[in-house]
Amino acid sequence: DSGVTQTPKHLITATGQRVTLRCSPRSGDLSVYWYQQSLDQGLQFLIQYYNGEERAKGNILERFSAQQFPDLHSELNLSSLELGDSALYFCASSVGALPGQGFSPLHFGNGTRLTVT
Amino acid sequence: TQLLEQSPQFLSIQEGENLTVYCNSSSVFSSLQWYRQEPGEGPVLLVTVVTGGEVKKLKRLTFQFGDARKDSSLHITAAQPGDTGLYLCAGAQNAGNMLTFGGGTRLMVKP
Repeated sequence: DSGVTQTPKHLITATGQRVTLRCSPRSGDLSVYWYQQSLDQGLQFLIQYYNGEERAKGNILERFSAQQFPDLHSELNLSSLELGDSALYFCASSVGALPGQGFSPLHFGNGTRLTVT
Repeated sequence: TQLLEQSPQFLSIQEGENLTVYCNSSSVFSSLQWYRQEPGEGPVLLVTVVTGGEVKKLKRLTFQFGDARKDSSLHITAAQPGDTGLYLCAGAQNAGNMLTFGGGTRLMVKP
């Protein structure tokens, strides 16, 4: 058990809809990361937050947004969903992520499987 | 085009065989990690390598970071069915934590 909790585990919705994925990081971790994993693909970095502030952006679509709340949990909002958005969405957390702090290992949740029909 | 290219993409071997998975890039990384992912679960960190030429061993797994910190390899000795899974390499380029993942190597070890 990584200590990172993601809900829901599965989500089935229709094109054009909007969904919210939730992540609770490991206790003590300040950084949260969101990744997308399509079928048979590696993980694509979407966005990172550190202590409530956006820290880095990857290949995140404008239809997608995220935030990290004061209690450090994070939500990933996906809107105007398309068939191609069907994927596994992973959240990961780590202790620190500021420049100069060096690398701290990422701990991944078990993901939310999104199916858009 | 992936920043990190993993090869092979798929590997099916018999129990007891040895194998090597490669992770290559034209970019330099400050650190490189190897993860293993099983179906229905998130990736789990196996090792982090930081220094060029570094070799780390984890039981039957040997990880090497290239001298120029652009590539890495994972060697498994006497593979077992429990080694079956998706192996992912990931590199960090800056003194931060943003990781770029390779496409993964899906390993199946048959008993």
